[in-house]
Amino acid sequence: GQQLNQSPQSMFIQEGEDVSMNCTSSSIFNTWLWYKQDPGEGPVLLIALYKAGELTSNGRLTAQFGITRKDSFLNISASIPSDVGIYFCAGLGSSNTGKLIFGQGTTLQVKP
Amino acid sequence: NAGVMQNPRHLVRRRGQEARLRCSPMKGHSHVYWYRQLPEEGLKFMVYLQKENIIDESGMPKERFSAEFPKEGPSILRIQQVVRGDSAAYFCASSPTLLGADTQYFGPGTRLTVL
Repeated sequence: GQQLNQSPQSMFIQEGEDVSMNCTSSSIFNTWLWYKQDPGEGPVLLIALYKAGELTSNGRLTAQFGITRKDSFLNISASIPSDVGIYFCAGLGSSNTGKLIFGQGTTLQVKP
Repeated sequence: NAGVMQNPRHLVRRRGQEARLRCSPMKGHSHVYWYRQLPEEGLKFMVYLQKENIIDESGMPKERFSAEFPKEGPSILRIQQVVRGDSAAYFCASSPTLLGADTQYFGPGTRLTVL
């Protein structure tokens, strides 16, 4: 089945630093999504990408849909303590039933 | 407009008991998805339902698990004869349309612990 490989698995950075994480797949996705999950909560959508090569920003967050449609990255600029959490990439699978395929997550910790 | 609601938030069951997890989608949403998250892992798709219909259950274990979304009332994920490996967080998401998969809104989850 379709799988996403997300890296790095975890990051520990200083407040103010920029962060980059990425997702790769052996198969093509038509939509890429990035979510953030806080402890004890459900994922919250950050950015949605629909076209190969698309670059989209949401405040300090920027994400890109890879040209090959097999990868995506998320950048967070000037990190702040509330950026702490788990970030997941997700791809809309090929089943056309709205089934999302999630990466394993990147745990981000920010030191004030 | 209330978000996706799930209850209970925490559920403890002993091996062999039944677990019932409820999901009330956002108002106006007729598409419901269930996902399971094991510790330290991403979410795994289980089942997609519309009112009174199961559309895609490719992620559901073949035995002990069932889901429904009746005409009235919440969607229910039912796990019979739970085992320790069923311990996980179960998330429900809803969307207004099928094509709006990017507008899947997730609930806070039910954390199931099997003793």
